[in-house]
Amino acid sequence: GENVGLHLPTLSVQEGDNSIINCAYSNSASDYFIWYKQESGKGPQFIIDIRSNMDKRQGQRVTVLLNKTVKHLSLQIAATQPGDSAVYFCAENQGSNYKLTFGKGTLLTVNP
Amino acid sequence: ETGVTQTPRHLVMGMTNKKSLKCEQHLGHNAMYWYKQSAKKPLELMFVYNFKEQTENNSVPSRFSPECPNSSHLFLHLHTLQPEDSALYLCASSQTHDLGTDTQYFGPGTRLTVL
Repeated sequence: GENVGLHLPTLSVQEGDNSIINCAYSNSASDYFIWYKQESGKGPQFIIDIRSNMDKRQGQRVTVLLNKTVKHLSLQIAATQPGDSAVYFCAENQGSNYKLTFGKGTLLTVNP
Repeated sequence: ETGVTQTPRHLVMGMTNKKSLKCEQHLGHNAMYWYKQSAKKPLELMFVYNFKEQTENNSVPSRFSPECPNSSHLFLHLHTLQPEDSALYLCASSQTHDLGTDTQYFGPGTRLTVL
């Protein structure tokens, strides 16, 4: 069926390195994607979004890349910091703006 | 703080108990949501309310009963739950229920354990 999934369940990086978290989606009707960060004991927090008419969008230290050909989404975090340690997951709208489908999440651990 | 609060933060209940989860948002939003987050599973949408009216029930069992008395408050009434209902229950709000334009803000969640 249609789903949003992640290639890697865990990612461990050294402080200062760049991190890349991946997400695969299978619903070609999806035209809006969001990355969330969830720290321990907190709810998910919006990081960055991208629409299907774009293939790249940049924020502060974060970049989202969208490859519609292979239905792949990635989140790049530059100069990763210990405060970036969290679970990251993507979400897609599957063609409807009234309901999001979420991926399982990748646990990012930043080693000092 | 996101402006969305949830109480209690932790709840342990037996299968025959009746309890309620409460969510309050201080953002002036008009849409509110309940999600279930289980271990090793993606976040699952349960209910959506827009201007106090329920617009989505994602095939949720009737032992979960939502209530939205006004745009700032959302409740989830629990009755005769099963151990597999143990999870983190997250509340969220957004300005409108159009998530293509409006960002969802999540509360910290209620960690529910059903014995």
